[in-house]
Amino acid sequence: NAGVMQNPRHLVRRRGQEARLRCSPMKGHSHVYWYRQLPEEGLKFMVYLQKENIIDESGMPKERFSAEFPKEGPSILRIQQVVRGDSAAYFCASSPPQGAAFFGQGTRLTVV
Amino acid sequence: GDSVTQMEGPVTLSEEAFLTINCTYTATGYPSLFWYVQYPGEGLQLLLKATKADDKGSNKGFEATYRKETTSFHLEKGSVQVSDSAVYFCALPIDGTDKLIFGTGTRLQVFP
Repeated sequence: NAGVMQNPRHLVRRRGQEARLRCSPMKGHSHVYWYRQLPEEGLKFMVYLQKENIIDESGMPKERFSAEFPKEGPSILRIQQVVRGDSAAYFCASSPPQGAAFFGQGTRLTVV
Repeated sequence: GDSVTQMEGPVTLSEEAFLTINCTYTATGYPSLFWYVQYPGEGLQLLLKATKADDKGSNKGFEATYRKETTSFHLEKGSVQVSDSAVYFCALPIDGTDKLIFGTGTRLQVFP
């Protein structure tokens, strides 16, 4: 049973471009969470999704950020028109209902 | 609201020294409590957890006891190794989901 798979591991984007981060949850896990870790800080919750539904997006910036978890395929975190302040590590976690969350290795986004 | 407070790092120890990393929390009810570890360049791994008051979670020589009276979940290890060098995060779920609130993390550096 593979763990939570995130890709790419490293992503470099120029200011104004779009960044797409992918997360494949563990087999059997229906809940996906995205977190952002700024340099030298802890993880901050962004969004919680179940298949085809956004359950809680209280941690998502109001503009430029969106997330989806389609019926088929990985969860996608999309950042449009990236700015330098978006540079961070983005972690995805998955869990079964009421189970402990397992984290992927993260995508390190660098905006130049 | 719910919150987690961790001692600031870095914590610098010699190999075989005793480790304590303090964690206190505020929460509605009695949520499960977690310690996650992040090795350099990696994602977070669940280290241990406790689901109710007076429970002791343990793994890889690390222990933490869920203390309701002091609202604490301090991480301890009797004899640290160089390979324990990492960042340790205390966390708890909120709102009855697996959405986690993390402490800011404590960096542990162990020298031979």
